[in-house]
Amino acid sequence: GQNIDQPTEMTATEGAIVQINCTYQTSGFNGLFWYQQHAGEAPTFLSYNVLDGLEEKGRFSSFLSRSKGYSYLLLKELQMKDSASYLCAVRSNAGNNRKLIWGLGTSLAVNP
Amino acid sequence: EAGVTQFPSHSVIEKGQTVTLRCDPISGHDNLYWYRRVMGKEIKFLLHFVKESKQDESGMPNNRFLAERTGGTYSTLKVQPAELEDSGVYFCASSTGTGNTIYFGEGSWLTVV
Repeated sequence: GQNIDQPTEMTATEGAIVQINCTYQTSGFNGLFWYQQHAGEAPTFLSYNVLDGLEEKGRFSSFLSRSKGYSYLLLKELQMKDSASYLCAVRSNAGNNRKLIWGLGTSLAVNP
Repeated sequence: EAGVTQFPSHSVIEKGQTVTLRCDPISGHDNLYWYRRVMGKEIKFLLHFVKESKQDESGMPNNRFLAERTGGTYSTLKVQPAELEDSGVYFCASSTGTGNTIYFGEGSWLTVV
């Protein structure tokens, strides 16, 4: 079957760095997405990785290793507003098949 | 620029009734997706439109669900008749041709009682 695993909950301190891991097993691979979602709001796009390596975008970075079926989202200089759910999703097929397979999300609590 | 908008934001209906959810994608986005999240479960794909055509509807649960996108602009998702297990948050999303940045709406929260 197809499976996306990520930790259920994490806690970190304001100003610190946190790494949220995601492992996946899918029938194919055509990109991995990270989204941030505050309660009651729309999931907000954070990053897209399709090649191995690190993509940096401000305080947020995302890493991908296709051979290991592994990604992480790195959040630096944590702020209170970063408290949210972080969702990992994989697009498993190429071409016109665009559906995403999702993990359950990691609920991050940033404490002062 | 307006984002993906969904209506209604919340709906409570009785089992057996009909509900129609509407999604307005970002202007110019050919790809439109419907997803659903049932409480305690992961977000699951329902279907994907490219313009007015259904590209992939493999995630539609059963024939009580009908999605349309007439004219390739806004889309509707009708549930008829609604069952208790249809309760959840229905997300709409849209993207341009490459689909590498997918924008989501805030969701329509459906409760069937």
